[in-house]
Amino acid sequence: DAMVIQNPRYQVTQFGKPVTLSCSQTLNHNVMYWYQQKSSQAPKLLFHYYDKDFNNEADTPDNFQSRRPNTSFCFLDIRSPGLGDAAMYLCATSSTGGETQYFGPGTRLLVL
Amino acid sequence: SQQGEEDPQALSIQEGENATMNCSYKTSINNLQWYRQNSGRGLVHLILIRSNEREKHSGRLRVTLDTSKKSSSLLITASRAADTASYFCATERNFGNEKLTFGTGTRLTIIP
Repeated sequence: DAMVIQNPRYQVTQFGKPVTLSCSQTLNHNVMYWYQQKSSQAPKLLFHYYDKDFNNEADTPDNFQSRRPNTSFCFLDIRSPGLGDAAMYLCATSSTGGETQYFGPGTRLLVL
Repeated sequence: SQQGEEDPQALSIQEGENATMNCSYKTSINNLQWYRQNSGRGLVHLILIRSNEREKHSGRLRVTLDTSKKSSSLLITASRAADTASYFCATERNFGNEKLTFGTGTRLTIIP
């Protein structure tokens, strides 16, 4: 089945220790998104890729970076995680001109 | 911020009853979508309604859109325990904009 996969499902890191979250998709969609969702809040868009074009949200901290080496994979790098970065990180995809987004199961990040 | 507001924040009903959730947004839109999120999981797309549509049905779901009031409602009929989840509205501002802005969500609990 075509899907969006996120690994790992749970990630524990130490304060200030860089961490990378990964997302892969078998939908062959052009657009990939990274959202941050804190408890009982709406998903907040961090950035998205339209093909290889990177689109950062104005209020996304510099601490968050992303890489998309090919159509299928996208990575979220947190350079120096703080306690406030503990959250669920959701990856999503959509097709060109498509409106519906397809979400992965999320990675829950815990910062100690 | 264009973030939508959802009402109520939480709703508990008996199994078999109907559940209604409301969403308001601030700017003109191309479409409005509803997503479901089970606890600790990713979001699942439920239904999309375009700005020139007023009502749409999908199975036990009915969505209405009033662009003059910048509001939408989601009705789930004959609720089931499996409907317990958080429900988010999301708006796409412009066609091809590729970005969704999510509302604050309604936490629905179905009591068996």
